[in-house]
Order: sequence, then C-alpha cells, then structure tokens
Amino acid sequence: AQSVTQLGSHVSVSEGALVLLRCNYSSSVPPYLFWYVQYPNQGLQLLLKYTTGATLVKGINGFEAEFKKSETSFHLTKPSAHMSDAAEYFCAVSDQTGANSKLTFGKGITLSVRP
Amino acid sequence: EAQVTQNPRYLITVTGKKLTVTCSQNMNHEYMSWYRQDPGLGLRQIYYSMNVEVTDKGDVPEGYKVSRKEKRNFPLILESPSPNQTSLYFCASSFGVRSRELFFGEGSRLTVL
Repeated sequence: AQSVTQLGSHVSVSEGALVLLRCNYSSSVPPYLFWYVQYPNQGLQLLLKYTTGATLVKGINGFEAEFKKSETSFHLTKPSAHMSDAAEYFCAVSDQTGANSKLTFGKGITLSVRP
Repeated sequence: EAQVTQNPRYLITVTGKKLTVTCSQNMNHEYMSWYRQDPGLGLRQIYYSMNVEVTDKGDVPEGYKVSRKEKRNFPLILESPSPNQTSLYFCASSFGVRSRELFFGEGSRLTVL
C-alpha cells in the first residue's frame, strides 16, 4: 500500500522568502509523484509531476521539486514566495503498475504568505 | 476549453433524500474517479472507472453508487444520504494507464442535515 506524509498542517512565510513544503512517501513499486495546489473554492491544479528521468522537476509558477529515492522524499520549493502562492498544497503518489490510476494524497499543507 | 464539470457546486439536503452529483469531461479521457475531501484527511477515492461500463470501488465506497454509460459522464449517486457524507466531492479524469495525471473538477460541497 502507498502512503504520503506531509508533516504539519500550516506553513507561514514572508513574501520573498523561500518556500519549502515537505513530502515523504511510501511505495513498494517505483512511484509517480505529484504536487497539486488548491485555491479557495476551486479544484486541484497540477503544479508538477515526476514520472521517470530527471529527478529535479520544474513546474508552474516557479515551483520545483526533487525526487530523492534514498530519502523517499519529494519536497516542493520556491525561491521567493508571492502573495498569490497562498493556498493549500497536496502531495500525491501513484504506482506505475495496475489499472487504477488512483492517486494517494497527503493531508495537505496550507501555505500563508505574510506581506 | 478542456475541463471537468460538476453539478451542483453546492447542495444542502436532508437525510435519506436521494441525490445525484453529475460529472462530465470533454477530454475523451478513459479513466474517471470520484474523491471526497475532508479536513485533516486529504482526498480519498470513492469509486473509479477505467472505461465505459467498467467501475470499481475505491477506498471509501460505502453509501455511494456510480455508473459509466457514456465515456464523458460519471455521476455519483447517494441513494440515502447521511450526515457523515457531508463533504467536498471532486470528480477527476485522466488518460488512464498512459498518464496518471488527474484533471479535477471544481468540486461539489454537499451538506446532509
């Protein structure tokens, strides 16, 4: 069975500061990894994904994440936070086998950005 | 515009009154799925469908039904809603095994009194 751990429920940073949202996963098979963002009253939007190949993945809005197999991690970073980054962020894992394209989600982290 | 459309977006109902949440996608996706989102629990899969007439249970299927008679539509049916089904529901679709990336609808907030 797969699982995702996102420690903490809330992160607060100042505008212009580094954003670091942590994600650790558990999977018995090579994983696909995703970060989604959810703005208030909206659905989930894909930020970035790792499938195979390069372990440093760049996404939209200046976000990037690095897949570290030895640490079973897929942390999300952004060098400089913007007010518009305030949202809830979900890390998710899917296995590369099986017919069910289910994503197993973490509990989510709310990012606040202070002026 | 490529999208997943859910209706209604908001609904307040009473215990036992059957309701259906519709979901439609215009991307010709084979795979569709329903999730519910609850505070502190993230998103959990209710049901999924790999293609027309092929559906299966996810992690939390109790109290729900689905059908997939057409490729673009995947309605979620609550035959006898209960208060513990008060939640935010998301429909999602993808190309299936070729791509695990899910495209989400905007969500349907359901309150059962």
